[in-house]
Amino acid sequence: DQQVKQNSPSLSVQEGRISILNCDYTNSMFDYFLWYKKYPAEGPTFLISISSIKDKNEDGRFTVFLNKSAKHLSLHIVPSQPGDSAVYFCAARSMDSNYQLIWGAGTKLIIKP
Amino acid sequence: DGGITQSPKYLFRKEGQNVTLSCEQNLNHDAMYWYRQDPGQGLRLIYYSQIVNDFQKGDIAEGYSVSREKKESFPLTVTSAQKNPTAFYLCASSIYGGPLTDTQYFGPGTRLTVL
Repeated sequence: DQQVKQNSPSLSVQEGRISILNCDYTNSMFDYFLWYKKYPAEGPTFLISISSIKDKNEDGRFTVFLNKSAKHLSLHIVPSQPGDSAVYFCAARSMDSNYQLIWGAGTKLIIKP
Repeated sequence: DGGITQSPKYLFRKEGQNVTLSCEQNLNHDAMYWYRQDPGQGLRLIYYSQIVNDFQKGDIAEGYSVSREKKESFPLTVTSAQKNPTAFYLCASSIYGGPLTDTQYFGPGTRLTVL
């Protein structure tokens, strides 16, 4: 049973436009959410996070939105740049998973020049 | 330069052999983790350790073993009991474990191929 779902395996966006990556979850006990970026054959790198007590967190070009009633998380990248082309993972944690991160399957973002 | 190192980057082994993957961190982090990534899937937790001399099974621990004798080191052994060991293995660490867990920092990964 996948508790964290990223339903779009890939997304293609024009350079300079907004990229919106989505993540749905089923566990209402998740209290902290994170987004990671991963290039091929490398480890993921942390991008941005949000606590369940907030609905928005911003860091430069990256903004994460949390809609708890819909159990939905999104990452906005504005403006999109070629270096943003990577696989993006969302992850979440809760007490009932011993605070270990539960990961989505990832979305491959392709930024077109 | 602080970080997490994993060696080697690529590893080939014959079926039936045990193999140990190295993970070292100099970030002074308490917690360390081992994940496995397969194509088209998210990361799955194999083992984690919140403190030296203690470790816990993750979701897919069968066929794997770990040790945490030093804070800096968390080696993973892939045993012959692991049915499908070919995968990309990622080691991570975080400042704290448990309820204080937040950001995890990852090493570059080891791609293990069993022939």
